[in-house]
Amino acid sequence: NAGVTQTPKFRILKIGQSMTLQCTQDMNHNYMYWYRQDPGMGLKLIYYSVGAGITDKGEVPNGYNVSRSTTEDFPLRLELAAPSQTSVYFCASSPGTHAFFGQGTRLTVV
Amino acid sequence: GQQVMQIPQYQHVQEGEDFTTYCNSSTTLSNIQWYKQRPGGHPVFLIQLVKSGEVKKQKRLTFQFGEAKKNSSLHITATQTTDVGTYFCAGPAYGNKLVFGAGTILRVKS
Repeated sequence: NAGVTQTPKFRILKIGQSMTLQCTQDMNHNYMYWYRQDPGMGLKLIYYSVGAGITDKGEVPNGYNVSRSTTEDFPLRLELAAPSQTSVYFCASSPGTHAFFGQGTRLTVV
Repeated sequence: GQQVMQIPQYQHVQEGEDFTTYCNSSTTLSNIQWYKQRPGGHPVFLIQLVKSGEVKKQKRLTFQFGEAKKNSSLHITATQTTDVGTYFCAGPAYGNKLVFGAGTILRVKS
């Protein structure tokens, strides 16, 4: 099992550009999450999903969108990148107990 | 919404000293989870506590869940340089959202 795989690992975006952060898991977990972590700070929940076709907002959803068309994939979309979105993004999945995290995507918006 | 608060934010100890981080939730939790994030890494699950007053040990780490299921603690005995990292507590909120505390950064001086 690969677990939770995130791509890309690093990305630099210009202000106003858009991009999709990819997340896929091969553990057949129903629950998936997107978090952002600013330097020296905790994990803020952006969006989460309890199963294919179902998504809901977390603590900091503004500026982001998600979709969950399959159990395996949970991409995070940034439409108009802003410097405030510079952060490390973690995707996680869970069978309903604890979470398994991907390696993270380090995003810089300049 | 549910909030999970963690103190201290940062602790720097001499190798061999003990370390404790505390977690408090604004609501009663069905369970509390603890994660460790090494510098530059991703959060990794350590343990889950479910029962009121539960105490679990993992080698030098002792985890406690309060009687009211609203607070928890992680205690490390005789810290080592391998204990360096950020320790997070997390609790499930409505809809199985997983809400994290801000984390405690542990630095160990050898």
